[in-house]
Amino acid sequence: GAVVSQHPSWVICKSGTSVKIECRSLDFQATTMFWYRQFPKQSLMLMATSNEGSKATYEQGVEKDKFLINHASLTLSTLTVTSAHPEDSSFYICSAITSGSWSDIQYFGAGTRLSVL
Amino acid sequence: DQQVKQNSPSLSVQEGRISILNCDYTNSMFDYFLWYKKYPAEGPTFLISISSIKDKNEDGRFTVFLNKSAKHLSLHIVPSQPGDSAVYFCAAGLNTGTASKLTFGTGTRLQVTL
Repeated sequence: GAVVSQHPSWVICKSGTSVKIECRSLDFQATTMFWYRQFPKQSLMLMATSNEGSKATYEQGVEKDKFLINHASLTLSTLTVTSAHPEDSSFYICSAITSGSWSDIQYFGAGTRLSVL
Repeated sequence: DQQVKQNSPSLSVQEGRISILNCDYTNSMFDYFLWYKKYPAEGPTFLISISSIKDKNEDGRFTVFLNKSAKHLSLHIVPSQPGDSAVYFCAAGLNTGTASKLTFGTGTRLQVTL
């Protein structure tokens, strides 16, 4: 149980275009989903926390107009990188929790590697 | 400011021996700690966790030790198996009132050799 699917796993796009990444909880309802970014040889950095039906909470330094997050249902959250530039190239990974309890275990998707040309 | 640190980027251990992965943190307010394991092209998978009020938690071959005074935790794997070869991330959770935020270390690549 507790499977999180992330799509696509790898995307290449031209500078200036927008890219949407989907994160789905397959066998549970995710009250909260998290979006992380990872640069090579660095740790996972939390970008934002998204709760179903409400606006995402962004971490300091993360541009909310650049990284649009939508959590329209209890099984789906999307991250849209708008007007992508080469510096946005990174590994993006989502996670989800079930009950919203503060000690809930986060279950991760496999991640999306974004390359902006 | 790296609040969670894994100072060893890699570790090599012989099959059957003990693997010890270390993690240090700076924020004494963290409520609980977790270890995740990550294989290439997959997301991190949860291994084991420990509350800040405990000093040890054991699950099969995996044991996590927490030393709050030293702000240090470690993951012991015994006996180590080739399938344990992966990147291990230490994470610390902070209760923000609803869902807990996790702060991750940079990971340690464990290689279990035959």
